[in-house]
Amino acid sequence: GDSVTQMEGPVTLSEEAFLTINCTYTATGYPSLFWYVQYPGEGLQLLLKATKADDKGSNKGFEATYRKETTSFHLEKGSVQVSDSAVYFCALSDETGGSYIPTFGRGTSLIVHP
Amino acid sequence: KAGVTQTPRYLIKTRGQQVTLSCSPISGHRSVSWYQQTPGQGLQFLFEYFSETQRNKGNFPGRFSGRQFSNSRSEMNVSTLELGDSALYLCASSLDLGDEQYFGPGTRLTVT
Repeated sequence: GDSVTQMEGPVTLSEEAFLTINCTYTATGYPSLFWYVQYPGEGLQLLLKATKADDKGSNKGFEATYRKETTSFHLEKGSVQVSDSAVYFCALSDETGGSYIPTFGRGTSLIVHP
Repeated sequence: KAGVTQTPRYLIKTRGQQVTLSCSPISGHRSVSWYQQTPGQGLQFLFEYFSETQRNKGNFPGRFSGRQFSNSRSEMNVSTLELGDSALYLCASSLDLGDEQYFGPGTRLTVT
């Protein structure tokens, strides 16, 4: 079946540091890829998405590029802020027999210190 | 536009009881999915409904069931509750199958 693997957390950074959270996937079809963010006590929010190879999703300074050749969708941000502290989930949506199966990674906790 | 709403936000039940959780999707969204989130297992897919039909089901026992109404609102039911069912239950809606999902704040279920 499909799977998403994220780097283990927590990732601890100082404010204004560069962020990379690795995400790789396996899928039987040609999935759409997503990053979601979950702030404490809240549900998940869509951060960005990409639907085909070489697409770059971006939002709020975060970016991720759909790399089909390496089956990866790494999340990056040039300069993190304390307010970016949250749990980040990589996810894919793959079509199987007309149905779309969502698969999420385990989540990576990001802690940003002032 | 109002977001996804879930009721109740918090629930405490005892083993053996049953529980029903409710989800109202974003207006116009036809797909509703349910997830269980726990520290140990992470985010696990329960099922997805589209136009009142269950389209996908995750690997959960038959004690977990759901339904969707004609207005796209959805309910999930867990019967014969076990301690391991304690979790945050998240509902997500999307415009169509495979689209990005918009999550509600979740229902925190505690089974004692």
